[in-house]
Amino acid sequence: QVQLVESGGGVVQPGGSLRLSCVASGFTFSISGMHWVRQAPGKGLEWVTFTRYDESHKWYADSVKGRFTISRDNSKNTLYLQMNSLRPEDTAVYYCAKMSIGQSFDLWGQGTLVTVSS
Amino acid sequence: QTVVTQEPSFSVSPGGTVTLTCGLNSGSVSTSHLPSWYQQTPGQTPRTLMYNTNTRSSGVPDRFSGSILGNKAALTITGAQADDESDYYCVLYVTTGIWVFGGGTKLTVL
Repeated sequence: QVQLVESGGGVVQPGGSLRLSCVASGFTFSISGMHWVRQAPGKGLEWVTFTRYDESHKWYADSVKGRFTISRDNSKNTLYLQMNSLRPEDTAVYYCAKMSIGQSFDLWGQGTLVTVSS
Repeated sequence: QTVVTQEPSFSVSPGGTVTLTCGLNSGSVSTSHLPSWYQQTPGQTPRTLMYNTNTRSSGVPDRFSGSILGNKAALTITGAQADDESDYYCVLYVTTGIWVFGGGTKLTVL
């Protein structure tokens, strides 16, 4: 079955850290570019970060640059998002998504909720 | 700062036609921005509708079409149905390695 399954969300205090995981199945993860996209409660989608299939290039939204790090382990079909120095405005559902033709997003996980609150 | 603009809300009658647009605060949208469109109903994950401006994703009915209209990307729904009532998001590939989502359009079918 072609799917992405995120995990690792939870409640964390401001300034804290959290690592999200996204396990891929049903497609060749090792040749796929991958994104993280987030959605704050009641708000729209926001692109967060992208890694090429081989981690040769990574890009970040200005809102998370220097605080978040995307990585992957192709031997485990897993994408990660290390989030440090978390802020209340980072509260959101975090989706991993697979890049497809035309720089589009063609497969989405179900999301994992991160809540930053004291 | 790059901002992608969408109408916050739109309303269409069942069977009617509606065009949602996707603009860029810094200028015109072109096919080089590779506009894509996503549908999301509350509590659900996004569904890919359109990519490369006007290519429908697998399984998307042909009453959905994409284009460039003037200086914006556009998503047109012809013969709107009740289950088209959703939030619609566009994304533009604004420069190498940077994607920007629009704020989304809440479409009501009534």
